[in-house]
Amino acid sequence: EPEVTQTPSHQVTQMGQEVILRCVPISNHLYFYWYRQILGQKVEFLVSFYNNEISEKSEIFDDQFSVERPDGSNFTLKIRSTKLEDSAMYFCASRTGQARGYEQYFGPGTRLTVT
Amino acid sequence: AQTVTQSQPEMSVQEAETVTLSCTYDTSESDYYLFWYKQPPSRQMILVIRQEAYKQQNATENRFSVNFQKAAKSFSLKISDSQLGDAAMYFCAYRATSGTYKYIFGTGTRLKVLA
Repeated sequence: EPEVTQTPSHQVTQMGQEVILRCVPISNHLYFYWYRQILGQKVEFLVSFYNNEISEKSEIFDDQFSVERPDGSNFTLKIRSTKLEDSAMYFCASRTGQARGYEQYFGPGTRLTVT
Repeated sequence: AQTVTQSQPEMSVQEAETVTLSCTYDTSESDYYLFWYKQPPSRQMILVIRQEAYKQQNATENRFSVNFQKAAKSFSLKISDSQLGDAAMYFCAYRATSGTYKYIFGTGTRLKVLA
């Protein structure tokens, strides 16, 4: 069964450094998402991406964040200058283009630790 | 704005018994989707069950079923014949049928299964 994959599984970085989290969505999916889960808290929406542009972003997704789909298969989340509070689990999700009945498929997540 | 509330931070159930996890939500929409996701210690989000708001019939997937009360905006998950592998964090999620289809998650309920 096709699945969403994410790399790396765990990333440790120093405050102020740039990180890129990578996701490979399911191949025929058209909508892509990033969510964040700070340890012990709920999963929060960050951004949605469709047709090579951001379709919606949350308040969390400020100028330090960016997303792109550089090569038609990968979907990346970049954090330009990491802060301690960016430490969280980051989940990528994707879904088909059909509106009814199609849920988002989540990747296994990348744990980001900012020291 | 839509909100999802899970009022039980933690629940316990004896193996082979039945447990019900609660979820309430708020929306002004008439058509939407509701989901229950399971997050085991591996942190991967796994879809448990899905309910379409326009369907009156409660969704069922093997040992998992929901009690969907649209007027009360309630969406509880019943797990029958609980197994040790059911131990996980369970998230209730809402998704509109328009816009970017982002998920709005509740804060989760941690389910412990006692042998």
